[in-house]
Amino acid sequence: DAKTTQPPSMDCAEGRAANLPCNHSTISGNEYVYWYRQIHSQGPQYIIHGLKNNETNEMASLIITEDRKSSTLILPHATLRDTAVYYCIVRVEGGANNLFFGTGTRLTVIP
Amino acid sequence: NAGVTQTPKFQVLKTGQSMTLQCAQDMNHNSMYWYRQDPGMGLRLIYYSASEGTTDKGEVPNGYNVSRLNKREFSLRLESAAPSQTSVYFCASSTHYEQYFGPGTRLTVT
Repeated sequence: DAKTTQPPSMDCAEGRAANLPCNHSTISGNEYVYWYRQIHSQGPQYIIHGLKNNETNEMASLIITEDRKSSTLILPHATLRDTAVYYCIVRVEGGANNLFFGTGTRLTVIP
Repeated sequence: NAGVTQTPKFQVLKTGQSMTLQCAQDMNHNSMYWYRQDPGMGLRLIYYSASEGTTDKGEVPNGYNVSRLNKREFSLRLESAAPSQTSVYFCASSTHYEQYFGPGTRLTVT
């Protein structure tokens, strides 16, 4: 599975959009980009994933560059409850589906 | 649906003691996983089970054994606990693209 690079921390004002970047320059053609988050000490929570098209769900949007070497997770209207560590992971879908977590980005939403 | 449940929530062991961490899921998922998370670190995979009756090593399997008891249950055993195994342990189960995590077991080995 390809390695990802994320900034260690970011701040965002409450109500504003939070844009979390991720670099995955060695991604293979069949690898998906996944985002999970971990609030405080809870178990991680799935947010969204995509292959090459932009994706949106009720939680967030995922923008993947055309060359697929980087992506951005967008939380459109950040709330205090979005304060968490966000993990960007790239992997092949299917199979044993194990995930390789790095250290992620610690997002702090500021009132 | 309870999702993924783990017992116990907290445990303190002395070096050399053994224990089993229990995990169960009620979502009829084939795949299940055990991770550990050390302070300030991301999760690391210990073992996983792609389906009932199969188990495979992950990134950090040394010092652990697992049992996939049936489709619902996947247990993690520490035969002789060491202080280096102090960590938070998460169990997960998955569909083909999304993993669901339990609340974790906080284990301290003194």
